[in-house]
Amino acid sequence: SAVISQKPSRDICQRGTSLTIQCQVDSQVTMMFWYRQQPGQSLTLIATANQGSEATYESGFVIDKFPISRPNLTFSTLTVSNMSPEDSSIYLCSVEILSYTFGSGTRLTVV
Amino acid sequence: GENVEQHPSTLSVQEGDSAVIKCTYSDSASNYFPWYKQELGKGPQLIIDIRSNVGEKKDQRIAVTLNKTAKHFSLHITETQPEDSAVYFCAASMGAAGNKLTFGGGTRVLVKP
Repeated sequence: SAVISQKPSRDICQRGTSLTIQCQVDSQVTMMFWYRQQPGQSLTLIATANQGSEATYESGFVIDKFPISRPNLTFSTLTVSNMSPEDSSIYLCSVEILSYTFGSGTRLTVV
Repeated sequence: GENVEQHPSTLSVQEGDSAVIKCTYSDSASNYFPWYKQELGKGPQLIIDIRSNVGEKKDQRIAVTLNKTAKHFSLHITETQPEDSAVYFCAASMGAAGNKLTFGGGTRVLVKP
């Protein structure tokens, strides 16, 4: 399975600001997935990121709020824009190589 | 789209007893069913998975069963130990490359020594 490095591991941010989360994979993968896990909740897919094309967003998530970059086959970023306290969550990236592997997550607190 | 229901939401067992978590799914096209364990402050870790051409799979103290007709699958943990305490998630996918995982709501398992 893949090894995923995710940065930062945690951050506390002021409302109205933006945070960019990085995800680095040790293997080349076609798709990378970004999930949100709200406090005490399950994982919800935000978007699927393909290299060389625009990300595909799930219902309820929009590009202006969660812009994604995918510059190559091993790296992606997710930005959480114009943050509010409701954005306080764990954000996780995931890839699929035989099975789905997750990064350790970014724990975001918006104050 | 796919919908995955997971029960119970919390489970408390005595060390050495068995724990069973059940999930149902809605989309008959789903054919890949992984289970994840998430410890505090960590990302989900795959513990076992099953594909729809298999009815049961076992790995040491962990087993998963799948009933494709009834569209449900279960996780069984035998001889539970305190280190099994965590949140467990089931998920379903159509299994083809790039298909997303849909997660159940999670089960918080507490193993009491």
